[in-house]
Amino acid sequence: EDKVVQSPLSLVVHEGDTVTLNCSYEVTNFRSLLWYKQEKKAPTFLFMLTSSGIEKKSGRLSSILDKKELFSILNITATQTGDSAIYLCAANAGNNRKLIWGLGTSLAVNP
Amino acid sequence: DAMVIQNPRYQVTQFGKPVTLSCSQTLNHNVMYWYQQKSSQAPKLLFHYYDKDFNNEADTPDNFQSRRPNTSFCFLDIRSPGLGDAAMYLCATSAGTDSNQPQHFGDGTRLSIL
Repeated sequence: EDKVVQSPLSLVVHEGDTVTLNCSYEVTNFRSLLWYKQEKKAPTFLFMLTSSGIEKKSGRLSSILDKKELFSILNITATQTGDSAIYLCAANAGNNRKLIWGLGTSLAVNP
Repeated sequence: DAMVIQNPRYQVTQFGKPVTLSCSQTLNHNVMYWYQQKSSQAPKLLFHYYDKDFNNEADTPDNFQSRRPNTSFCFLDIRSPGLGDAAMYLCATSAGTDSNQPQHFGDGTRLSIL
């Protein structure tokens, strides 16, 4: 059965800290891995990763995929209180346009 | 800005009273999805449209129906809401030319059942 596992489930840090969120997957016909940020509303798209070893970066956020070891990490440097959210990881499997979702990592950044 | 718009943001209905949630998009995407998300859970796909082709998930209750009258609009109808249907309902779209495309979400409709 296809699955995506995120760790940790929750994390509390102080402003300025750097955090690393983990996502591992076991998915047949894997095509890509996506990261989303969810605050009190719908998920906001962050990154889509299709190739191993190529870092995607947006401001203080970056992400990389390892297709050999079947995982991805999302890094956030110099965290701010506005980074507090649930970070969801999802894998695109096969040609059916469906995403396999992890349960998310709940990040709280304290001032 | 091109976007996915869901209305209303909050919906309250009575137990058993039909309710319709709406979603519109200006992205001109072929694919539109409806998800149900409960607290502390990942989004759960209910169904999706690829153009006019409807794809229902095997475990989506018959109580949930959908309509897509044109490319821009998609509706979620809950025929007889039960207390267990209280959740956030998310609409998403993706470009259908390649199935490996990110999904873009609207802000969601939070449904409460009295």
